[in-house]
Amino acid sequence: QKEVEQNSGPLSVPEGAIASLNCTYSDRGSQSFFWYRQYSGKSPELIMFIYSNGDKEDGRFTAQLNKASQYVSLLIRDSQPSDSATYLCAVNPSAGGTSYGKLTFGQGTILTVHP
Amino acid sequence: NAGVTQTPKFRILKIGQSMTLQCAQDMNHNYMYWYRQDPGMGLKLIYYSVGAGITDKGEVPNGYNVSRSTTEDFPLRLELAAPSQTSVYFCASSSRGQGTEAFFGQGTRLTVV
Repeated sequence: QKEVEQNSGPLSVPEGAIASLNCTYSDRGSQSFFWYRQYSGKSPELIMFIYSNGDKEDGRFTAQLNKASQYVSLLIRDSQPSDSATYLCAVNPSAGGTSYGKLTFGQGTILTVHP
Repeated sequence: NAGVTQTPKFRILKIGQSMTLQCAQDMNHNYMYWYRQDPGMGLKLIYYSVGAGITDKGEVPNGYNVSRSTTEDFPLRLELAAPSQTSVYFCASSSRGQGTEAFFGQGTRLTVV
């Protein structure tokens, strides 16, 4: 069973702080990693994706990938109350070839940004 | 641009009833997926399709069936509904599968009583 693990939280940070969300995965052959944001009662929406080791920045968001440690993280700088949501880590597992875009999700981390 | 459209948004079923959850996408994506999300949990893959006429099981397929007669539509059929199927169901599509973004529909909240 290929697994993706996240700390379910809740993670509470003050407005303007950096929120750090972490995710580990068990399938060493995984190639693609995604962070989705899900507001309560809504569908997941993609924030970031990362394929290569290192950091990838997009505005206030930075994704970090360490394949040797099987670890991916999401940093949110200058956190805003509107960032309050559940953040889902998702991984394209390896399948000896292509996984056809199937995603394995973590259970999600609830983030609360308080004014 | 509608993206991925799911109907209905909400449904209550009695134990043993059947229903079909509809999913349609207008992005000409080959890859389509059905996930379910239980409270406080991540999404689990039920079935997926890589093109019209081609479907395969995901992680939790028992109690469900799918078909893919066209590129646009990917309905999910529940036969003999059980309380364990109470969940939120999301349909998604992607353009190239591996390594590409999946776009999600707005979800169907199903309660089996």
